[in-house]
Amino acid sequence: EAGVTQFPSHSVIEKGQTVTLRCDPISGHDNLYWYRRVMGKEIKFLLHFVKESKQDESGMPNNRFLAERTGGTYSTLKVQPAELEDSGVYFCASSRGLALDIQYFGAGTRLSVL
Amino acid sequence: GDSVTQMEGPVTLSEEAFLTINCTYTATGYPSLFWYVQYPGEGLQLLLKATKADDKGSNKGFEATYRKETTSFHLEKGSVQVSDSAVYFCALQEDSSYKLIFGSGTRLLVRP
Repeated sequence: EAGVTQFPSHSVIEKGQTVTLRCDPISGHDNLYWYRRVMGKEIKFLLHFVKESKQDESGMPNNRFLAERTGGTYSTLKVQPAELEDSGVYFCASSRGLALDIQYFGAGTRLSVL
Repeated sequence: GDSVTQMEGPVTLSEEAFLTINCTYTATGYPSLFWYVQYPGEGLQLLLKATKADDKGSNKGFEATYRKETTSFHLEKGSVQVSDSAVYFCALQEDSSYKLIFGSGTRLLVRP
């Protein structure tokens, strides 16, 4: 069974540009999450999808961030326009149906905004 | 709000040394507690978990006991190996919540 896949693994962009991160969850997992780790600090929750619906987006930092999950399969996280403080590692995770089901994480996308 | 505090790293040990990484938490309810590990170049992996007070999670020689009275979930291993070098994250999840709340991570470096 394939794990959670994220790409690109690393993205370097200039301030003001747009970047789109992609996450492919484990097949059959209805729940998909995005988290972010900035500057070696704690990993923070961004948002949670159940299938194609946003269940909780309380962690999204501002309206420059847009997450989608069309068809309830893969998800994208777009940052437009990117700012310096958006640099960090963006993790995606997926889980089955219940709240305490294990969340399986991808390797993350390291975003560097110059 | 809920939070997790971990000891700052890096922690540098010699092979076969005893490891303790401290983790304390603040929560309004009765959370489940987790340790995740990130090996170089890989994603986060669940190392162990405990869902209620006095539960002990264990895996790969690592152990952690859910201590409600001290709100702690310290990670221990009796004899570390070079292959244990990684970043370790303590996390909690409130009952009926999907959101994981993480600490800042502790980097462990084990020297031969």
